[in-house]
Amino acid sequence: DAGVTQSPTHLIKTRGQHVTLRCSPISGHKSVSWYQQVLGQGPQFIFQYYEKEERGRGNFPDRFSARQFPNYSSELNVNALLLGDSALYLCASSLVPGINQPQHFGDGTRLSIL
Amino acid sequence: DQQVKQNSPSLSVQEGRISILNCDYTNSMFDYFLWYKKYPAEGPTFLISISSIKDKNEDGRFTVFLNKSAKHLSLHIVPSQPGDSAVYFCAASAGQGGSEKLVFGKGTKLTVNP
Repeated sequence: DAGVTQSPTHLIKTRGQHVTLRCSPISGHKSVSWYQQVLGQGPQFIFQYYEKEERGRGNFPDRFSARQFPNYSSELNVNALLLGDSALYLCASSLVPGINQPQHFGDGTRLSIL
Repeated sequence: DQQVKQNSPSLSVQEGRISILNCDYTNSMFDYFLWYKKYPAEGPTFLISISSIKDKNEDGRFTVFLNKSAKHLSLHIVPSQPGDSAVYFCAASAGQGGSEKLVFGKGTKLTVNP
């Protein structure tokens, strides 16, 4: 069975540009969350989506946005990129929110801002 | 304000011995705790979890202990194997309103020497 898949795996952008990262959850999983991991830190929560609705938002500026599609895949968009946005962006999926269950992560998109 | 703390950045053990990784938390609303393992260039892989209604959960070589009064959990790996060498993240969630926001520690790099 395919796990969480993310694309692209690597991306290089320059300051001021925008970027779109994509995520396909494990088949049957309806909840998708996004995390940012900078070097030397643990992943930090950005968004959670379930049934196309935002269910949670972390402490990130409005330059960060996301959406979920009817097939439960998701996109993370970041506008006006800053050097500090360079990080590994992780997507995680789970069956449904509201019950104690593990989230399963993809291998991430490595975003570098020049 | 770090709500989940892993105070040991690294740990080195001999193959066959026990590895003990520690994690402390400050938020008393956390009710679900997880351990993830991460290899370079891969996403975090779920290892084991524990609900706050339990004090121990075991899965093969991995056991997680939870001490709610001390706000402390630990992961025991026995016997340790060279393939266990990775960065281990402790994570916690509060399950508020169905949000699955995970709060991660900074990780502990485990090295198991043959």
